[in-house]
Amino acid sequence: EPEVTQTPSHQVTQMGQEVILRCVPISNHLYFYWYRQILGQKVEFLVSFYNNEISEKSEIFDDQFSVERPDGSNFTLKIRSTKLEDSAMYFCASSEALGIDTQYFGPGTRLTVL
Amino acid sequence: GDSVTQMEGPVTLSEEAFLTINCTYTATGYPSLFWYVQYPGEGLQLLLKATKADDKGSNKGFEATYRKETTSFHLEKGSVQVSDSAVYFCALSKTSYDKVIFGPGTSLSVIP
Repeated sequence: EPEVTQTPSHQVTQMGQEVILRCVPISNHLYFYWYRQILGQKVEFLVSFYNNEISEKSEIFDDQFSVERPDGSNFTLKIRSTKLEDSAMYFCASSEALGIDTQYFGPGTRLTVL
Repeated sequence: GDSVTQMEGPVTLSEEAFLTINCTYTATGYPSLFWYVQYPGEGLQLLLKATKADDKGSNKGFEATYRKETTSFHLEKGSVQVSDSAVYFCALSKTSYDKVIFGPGTSLSVIP
């Protein structure tokens, strides 16, 4: 069964450094999302992406964050200058098309900012 | 705004006990409703879903019925196993491409 994959599984970085989290969505999917889950808290929406542009973003997704689909398969989340409070599990998700409302989530990348 | 509320955890049950995790939602229109499960150290997996009122989603012995009149989507299982120990998230989505809004999660521990 096709699945969403994410790399790396765990990233440790120093405060102020840039990180790029990578996702490979399911191949025929058209809608892409990033969510995050701070340890012990609920899963929060960050951004959705369709047709090579951001469809919606939350207030968490400030100027330090950006997303990109650099080629036909990868979907990336960049944090320009990490802060301690960016430490969280980041989940990528994708869904097939309009009318198909199920989002499939990747296994997550645990980001630790020191 | 739209939101999802779940019963507080953690929930601890003995193997073969009956499970209910309550979930209620606030949303305009007719959202789709989901239960996602997160096993220890793993990501989010879709457990079941329902897209309209009175629909029943089911998977792996778990069931939930979309109740529009009570804005609820309670998760049930007749006989839990140790392997069901996980965090369960109730969630909704307003449209087919909209963000998923999650509840806070309910941690379930099943003891032998």
